[in-house]
Amino acid sequence: NAGVTQTPKFQVLKTGQSMTLQCAQDMNHNSMYWYRQDPGMGLRLIYYSASEGTTDKGEVPNGYNVSRLNKREFSLRLESAAPSQTSVYFCASSEVTLANYGYTFGSGTRLTVV
Amino acid sequence: AQSVTQLDSHVSVSEGTPVLLRCNYSSSYSPSLFWYVQHPNKGLQLLLKYTSAATLVKGINGFEAEFKKSETSFHLTKPSAHMSDAAEYFCVVSEPNFGNEKLTFGTGTRLTIIP
Repeated sequence: NAGVTQTPKFQVLKTGQSMTLQCAQDMNHNSMYWYRQDPGMGLRLIYYSASEGTTDKGEVPNGYNVSRLNKREFSLRLESAAPSQTSVYFCASSEVTLANYGYTFGSGTRLTVV
Repeated sequence: AQSVTQLDSHVSVSEGTPVLLRCNYSSSYSPSLFWYVQHPNKGLQLLLKYTSAATLVKGINGFEAEFKKSETSFHLTKPSAHMSDAAEYFCVVSEPNFGNEKLTFGTGTRLTIIP
């Protein structure tokens, strides 16, 4: 019962370094999402992919890129990390973009940029 | 545009007493509303959802919420708190958008249970 799997769970980067956060789901869901969670701000949508081959910007896309590699995988890339990108990142998936189906979340990646 | 306000950032209750977590929403259309729970260092889990059916919604672990359109509220309640309920709770709203709906999260309410 894997659901949504995120790797790595923890990461420390230096300012200017790049990295890719990986996300995979095994529920055959069409839609996938990347959120960031910051204290006192809830979760904010970075990018989403309504279906394989499509991606769209969310609320806070600056400084990030995404790739929907196939139906299962949706990666988030930081090209040049900044301290403002220190956050907890969550990947989620849903059967369709109709939110009333509910989302399944991964357990998160805690990223610190120093 | 949709938005949601969680009225309390922290709530503390004694074990065995009722829980009330307050949420008000704003939406131009008939929204879907959700409560998610996040235990420490874990992902988010769906507690319950309202999608224009019954206004009193029952969820997992004894939680329920009532949709009140006149008050634009969707408060979460539980009759008797348990230690395992200690977590952060998020109220979430989504508006119809032609199959392209997205979730808007509140800022969260941290629930502490006093033994």
